[in-house]
Amino acid sequence: GGIITQTPKFLIGQEGQKLTLKCQQNFNHDTMYWYRQDSGKGLRLIYYSITENDLQKGDLSEGYDASREKKSSFSLTVTSAQKNEMAVFLCASSINWGGSQNTLYFGAGTRLSVL
Amino acid sequence: GDSVTQTEGQVALSEEDFLTIHCNYSASGYPALFWYVQYPGEGPQFLFRASRDKEKGSSRGFEATYNKEATSFHLQKASVQESDSAVYYCALSGKGGRALIFGTGTTVSVSP
Repeated sequence: GGIITQTPKFLIGQEGQKLTLKCQQNFNHDTMYWYRQDSGKGLRLIYYSITENDLQKGDLSEGYDASREKKSSFSLTVTSAQKNEMAVFLCASSINWGGSQNTLYFGAGTRLSVL
Repeated sequence: GDSVTQTEGQVALSEEDFLTIHCNYSASGYPALFWYVQYPGEGPQFLFRASRDKEKGSSRGFEATYNKEATSFHLQKASVQESDSAVYYCALSGKGGRALIFGTGTTVSVSP
């Protein structure tokens, strides 16, 4: 088995601050994802990376940047934190892209609060 | 675009009650349909999937049947336990290599 590790678990930022969330997976999966989880809105896709040198925008990419440093790691940057913003950011990975049989494996999340 | 609708935002039950969470989808063709479960403090985890009409997916006592005509994939469990308290997400994967699209989630609370 494998694991997805997200750091930090909790992140408190200031309005306007640039904040970086990190994700590591040891499944040796090709594809990685960042989802945002808000109460009552479910999981919404921010960015994904099909393979090591790929980067794709999801439906919620505005206000975020992402970086796939290597196959096992995928970072997300909040370019300018919004006041009173509270959300959970979930990283996930899958064996590869495009297969409807692919299972997503999620990390435990980073909980962001902006003062 | 493709979408998933979960009718219930919150469901409160007692142990041994019957659980139903309604999931309807909008997508062309035959998308793969999924259920994920998220326990407190954890990330969502895969429960099961179905890929064709009338296929039943099941795991840990939960089940759902792909219904193309009704565009539904309702989750059911005959007798819930307190340990089933969690958030349940319905999701779909459309054709052409699309990332999973999730519903808004249903919080299930089971009291002893």
